[in-house]
Amino acid sequence: QSALTQPASVSGSPGQSITISCTGTSSDVGGYNYVSWYQQHPGTAPRLMIYDVSNRPSGVSDRFSGSKSGNTASLTISGLQAEDEADYYCGSFASSSFPFGTGTKVTVL
Amino acid sequence: QVQLVESGGGVVQPGGSLRLSCATSGFTFNNYGFHWVRQAPGKGLEWVATMWSDGSRKSYSDSVKGRFTVSRDSSKTTQYMQMNILRAEDTAVYFCARDDALHRLNYWGQGIPVTVSS
Repeated sequence: QSALTQPASVSGSPGQSITISCTGTSSDVGGYNYVSWYQQHPGTAPRLMIYDVSNRPSGVSDRFSGSKSGNTASLTISGLQAEDEADYYCGSFASSSFPFGTGTKVTVL
Repeated sequence: QVQLVESGGGVVQPGGSLRLSCATSGFTFNNYGFHWVRQAPGKGLEWVATMWSDGSRKSYSDSVKGRFTVSRDSSKTTQYMQMNILRAEDTAVYFCARDDALHRLNYWGQGIPVTVSS
């Protein structure tokens, strides 16, 4: 039940695109198409941004997109905006557990 | 609208117990499973436990297995997590979240703080 690995921080200028990686194993990320991404602003509950690798819930901007290759999933934020500055966590189903990633702080320069 | 509201947190001594509640409304309770997720001060999200939608299957992280127990009362549309033998490292904000599918946590409570300290 190890946490999935994410970079500690990613930054970009407004309008740019950034990509956050989420590396697991064949027992979690690589084994199932049940990878999700969550955005969390300080002092608030997480918000689901992507589910099942690449699907967006209703109300989430199409600037957010997800993908997966092997044991690594990725979240791309296009047209970076000030309000995108937050912590981002990936998550994956893993047979009988639901690990999260280590978290990535996104800074908008 | 969908609502999840946690309660029952607070300060407890090491070795003590607490029961967290997650009262829900706005949807058909028995159709969903629920997760408990915690966040230690300044740290990331940690999955803690899951009550699957069938109401009987339960899963726990290694860090709480044998100490925490999840349950639910369908008549009250409320999810519970009994936490025993609490340790300092259990100090965190605890969130309950509805499981819309496998790791699709689309609705979350506001979180409830738990502090384990002497």
